[in-house]
Amino acid sequence: DAGVTQSPTHLIKTRGQHVTLRCSPISGHKSVSWYQQVLGQGPQFIFQYYEKEERGRGNFPDRFSARQFPNYSSELNVNALLLGDSALYLCASSSGLVAAYTDTQYFGPGTRLTVL
Amino acid sequence: AQSVTQLGSHVSVSEGALVLLRCNYSSSVPPYLFWYVQYPNQGLQLLLKYTSAATLVKGINGFEAEFKKSETSFHLTKPSAHMSDAAEYFCAVSARSGGSNYKLTFGKGTLLTVNP
Repeated sequence: DAGVTQSPTHLIKTRGQHVTLRCSPISGHKSVSWYQQVLGQGPQFIFQYYEKEERGRGNFPDRFSARQFPNYSSELNVNALLLGDSALYLCASSSGLVAAYTDTQYFGPGTRLTVL
Repeated sequence: AQSVTQLGSHVSVSEGALVLLRCNYSSSVPPYLFWYVQYPNQGLQLLLKYTSAATLVKGINGFEAEFKKSETSFHLTKPSAHMSDAAEYFCAVSARSGGSNYKLTFGKGTLLTVNP
């Protein structure tokens, strides 16, 4: 079975631009979460979606937004890019069918975003 | 609020030696704890998780972790290191992100180096 897939794998943008990152969850998984991992740090939670609804939001500015589609894939959008947005963006999917706090999240390989 | 502290940003061991990666947590409710591994230029892979069923948790690749409530610790061990274990390891706690939804809160990671 295919795991979580993300596109693109690498991306270079300049300050002020907009970026869209895409994620396809494991087949049958209904929950998608997004994380930002800055070099040398652990991943930081950005959003969680379940059945196309936002279920959680981390401490990120409104420049960050996301959505989940009927096929459970997801997009993360970042507007007005700053140098500090350079990071690895990870998508994780989970079944959403068990108690949320024990639900194992399966991570994709990430999208490496560089902002110049 | 929940948090995780990983003691030691870098651990170096010889091949065949014991691996010990330290993780302490802070939680106002019974925690659910996870260890993930990240190989270079890859996403995160679940090693093991603690969900209160047993205090000693066995994971993949010969790793195990013991939950010690009195010490608020969840240290990761492996009796004999292999070269292929070289990677970054993250401890995480499942934390409420709003309503009944949960997010993973990660530590800053420990880079494991295995010397021949």
